[in-house]
Amino acid sequence: DAGITQSPRHKVTETGTPVTLRCHQTENHRYMYWYRQDPGHGLRLIHYSYGVKDTDKGEVSDGYSVSRSKTEDFLLTLESATSSQTSVYFCAISVAGAANTGELFFGEGSRLTVL
Amino acid sequence: GQQVMQIPQYQHVQEGEDFTTYCNSSTTLSNIQWYKQRPGGHPVFLIQLVKSGEVKKQKRLTFQFGEAKKNSSLHITATQTTDVGTYFCNSGAGSYQLTFGKGTKLSVIP
Repeated sequence: DAGITQSPRHKVTETGTPVTLRCHQTENHRYMYWYRQDPGHGLRLIHYSYGVKDTDKGEVSDGYSVSRSKTEDFLLTLESATSSQTSVYFCAISVAGAANTGELFFGEGSRLTVL
Repeated sequence: GQQVMQIPQYQHVQEGEDFTTYCNSSTTLSNIQWYKQRPGGHPVFLIQLVKSGEVKKQKRLTFQFGEAKKNSSLHITATQTTDVGTYFCNSGAGSYQLTFGKGTKLSVIP
């Protein structure tokens, strides 16, 4: 699946602790995305990136930050995890030249539980 | 990103029956994509529609893009248990933000 790996795949943490999820790709694609998936809400965009050090907010960005210091890695950080951030997080990449015209390839997902 | 509404949220069908899910927008879409997510899995791209009135088929699946490019549908003929999952539509319209509908969860009763 376009060489995307997410880590960790599962994590349980406590409220108030920082958490970083990593998305790694092997094919040098420009556009990368972080989504969260919750029952009844579908897939909601958290942040996206259109190049190294180029990122922007999605519809549910509060409480999250991202970094992209190199093309292959897109990191999602929860500075101080809350129970409302318990979710399944998916990383995705767009393989097209334009962000809104190419199909998205998704990683396997990272299941985060905040106690 | 543009908001898309997807209906129904859930659908239970007997195996062999047909199934349709709809994706609607109040504004014109540049394109529409459809994804399928199996239980416990990740979304997988099915198809992209770009042209007004476009119809594409993949075996038992038929995808349509409305003439006004404000709605789309996915129709499955004679459902099978392998069709179980959640079907999402996704739109992008001149922005980096790709907005997903909430999905239609399909259950197939053998």
